[in-house]
Amino acid sequence: DGGITQSPKYLFRKEGQNVTLSCEQNLNHDAMYWYRQDPGQGLRLIYYSQIVNDFQKGDIAEGYSVSREKKESFPLTVTSAQKNPTAFYLCASSMQGAAGANVLTFGAGSRLTVL
Amino acid sequence: LAKTTQPISMDSYEGQEVNITCSHNNIATNDYITWYQQFPSQGPRFIIQGYKTKVTNEVASLFIPADRKSSTLSLPRVSLSDTAVYYCLVGDSLLMYSGGGADGLTFGKGTHLIIQP
Repeated sequence: DGGITQSPKYLFRKEGQNVTLSCEQNLNHDAMYWYRQDPGQGLRLIYYSQIVNDFQKGDIAEGYSVSREKKESFPLTVTSAQKNPTAFYLCASSMQGAAGANVLTFGAGSRLTVL
Repeated sequence: LAKTTQPISMDSYEGQEVNITCSHNNIATNDYITWYQQFPSQGPRFIIQGYKTKVTNEVASLFIPADRKSSTLSLPRVSLSDTAVYYCLVGDSLLMYSGGGADGLTFGKGTHLIIQP
């Protein structure tokens, strides 16, 4: 079955440590996205990538980094520069198509807790 | 970027039809309207997308008036399992691919729909 796989599902980190969240898709989608969701809040866009080897900052990119070396993979690194990293992180992908709005397919999410 | 406004929460009962309205007064000519559903601790799931008039699928209907300044998601005969947060997004994917930025990718706080027995 095609879909998006995020790992790990739960992650604990000590302050000052970098951590990388994995996102893999086998939908052959061109674009991939990372969102952050805090309790009771909507999703906020961190980074997005329309094509391999290219990515753009979203609304809250500070303290995060990404890479897009393969079409299928879009890992997110939460660096020690991110002041409040505890959150639910969601990866998504979409296909570049004709007119319309992006229809995003989401993964199950990764919950990061900083101890 | 078009902004959207939705009610923060709504209540209804099993078996009822639920209509959630989203306002998007600044919608652009090429913008589409997309709705997602999210359950706790899960990623949002696409429900329906439309440009004008009415769109229906096996899950919901989307009504868009001629001026396109609002849209209404209609859920027929809801059940307890429809309790979730519903998000309305407005945007144009072609704008993103032409370097116009993350159009149509902004999720607000959504509408928390609570269905009671």
